[in-house]
Amino acid sequence: KAGVTQTPRYLIKTRGQQVTLSCSPISGHRSVSWYQQTPGQGLQFLFEYFSETQRNKGNFPGRFSGRQFSNSRSEMNVSTLELGDSALYLCASSLEVRTGYGYTFGSGTRLTVV
Amino acid sequence: DQQVKQNSPSLSVQEGRISILNCDYTNSMFDYFLWYKKYPAEGPTFLISISSIKDKNEDGRFTVFLNKSAKHLSLHIVPSQPGDSAVYFCAASGSGNTPLVFGKGTRLSVIA
Repeated sequence: KAGVTQTPRYLIKTRGQQVTLSCSPISGHRSVSWYQQTPGQGLQFLFEYFSETQRNKGNFPGRFSGRQFSNSRSEMNVSTLELGDSALYLCASSLEVRTGYGYTFGSGTRLTVV
Repeated sequence: DQQVKQNSPSLSVQEGRISILNCDYTNSMFDYFLWYKKYPAEGPTFLISISSIKDKNEDGRFTVFLNKSAKHLSLHIVPSQPGDSAVYFCAASGSGNTPLVFGKGTRLSVIA
């Protein structure tokens, strides 16, 4: 059974550019959540999608957006990149929005903004 | 406002001894708690969980204790092994469609 796949694994972008990250959840999982991990800040919640609908949104500026497709794959987009956006972006999938065993995470996309 | 707090950024333990990782939460609506383990360059992996109706859950070398009145939970690893060296995240969720809220993590180093 394939796990959660995130692409690309590494990315270097310049300030002001935009970036799109992709996440393919475990087959059959309909919920996809995105988290940002930075040193000293832990995992901060970005947004959560279930059946193509955004169910929850974290406290991030509007430059951060996402969507989910009918096959449950999800993308997140960050526009007008800032140096502070450099982080590990993690995607997690689950069968439903709330599940007793939490999420299954991908390996993440390491974004570096220069 | 941090709802889930892991106040120890790091912990070093001798191999074979007990590792105790602590976590405090402020939101009394949380009713499910989880621990995740993360190695460098990998995503977090689920380790163990506990429902608020319990005060202890055990899985092999890992035991999680929940003290609801103190809004505190802890993860015990006995005996600790070098392969346990990783960052451990505490997470909590409430009822309904609420996302997992994570702490900042504790880096555990098990010294051989």
